[in-house]
Amino acid sequence: QVQLQESGPGLVKPSQTLSLTCTVSGGSISSGIYYWNWIRQPPGKGLEWIGLIFSGGNTYYKSSLQSRVSISIDASKNQFSLRLSSVTAADTAVYFCARVYYGGAPFDLWGQGTLVTVSS
Amino acid sequence: SYDLTQPLSVSVALGQTAKITCGGNDIGSKNVHWYQQKPGQAPVVVIYRDTTRPSGIPERFSGSNSGNTATLTIARAQAGDEAAYYCQVWDNTSGVFGTGTRVTVL
Repeated sequence: QVQLQESGPGLVKPSQTLSLTCTVSGGSISSGIYYWNWIRQPPGKGLEWIGLIFSGGNTYYKSSLQSRVSISIDASKNQFSLRLSSVTAADTAVYFCARVYYGGAPFDLWGQGTLVTVSS
Repeated sequence: SYDLTQPLSVSVALGQTAKITCGGNDIGSKNVHWYQQKPGQAPVVVIYRDTTRPSGIPERFSGSNSGNTATLTIARAQAGDEAAYYCQVWDNTSGVFGTGTRVTVL
């Protein structure tokens, strides 16, 4: 049974870089049929897609975040990671990693989410 | 960018039918997925590709999509259906979520 688990600091200072990792267990991140995504949800608000990475390393990001976001993959560790630079309080959110089975498909597998607070 | 609009809230009497709409430009040409999210939990797919229910989702959940509106219907609403519901599409290679609807079962 494949599972996703987010990890990383729960508190980040303003203007610094938020870094999170999603560990894939029970399956290989290198399977070419999956896309690996980051999604976030500010407290009490809706879901926002951040970006995705293919197992081959190609990435796509939400246009409004593109200048600050980077997603990478480490197949040797079965992990993919998110970096979001120059954070502000508006980046405070629960961050989820999620899997898409193929193009146009839904997010069929999610991590439990991790709360990241941006505060000094 | 592509936007999806949902009503902020929908109330339904126990045992009755709730309809949640998701509006977007020519959304009928896209595949729409619907998620249920309960407090403190990750979202769960309840309908994908407009009308398909994943295994384990009750038949009471159904979907439709045409023109500029997709709809999630919850028949015979139960207390356990109280949750936030989100529609979602892919706009080229960008994921787009609806604004979300809070369903209350009275």
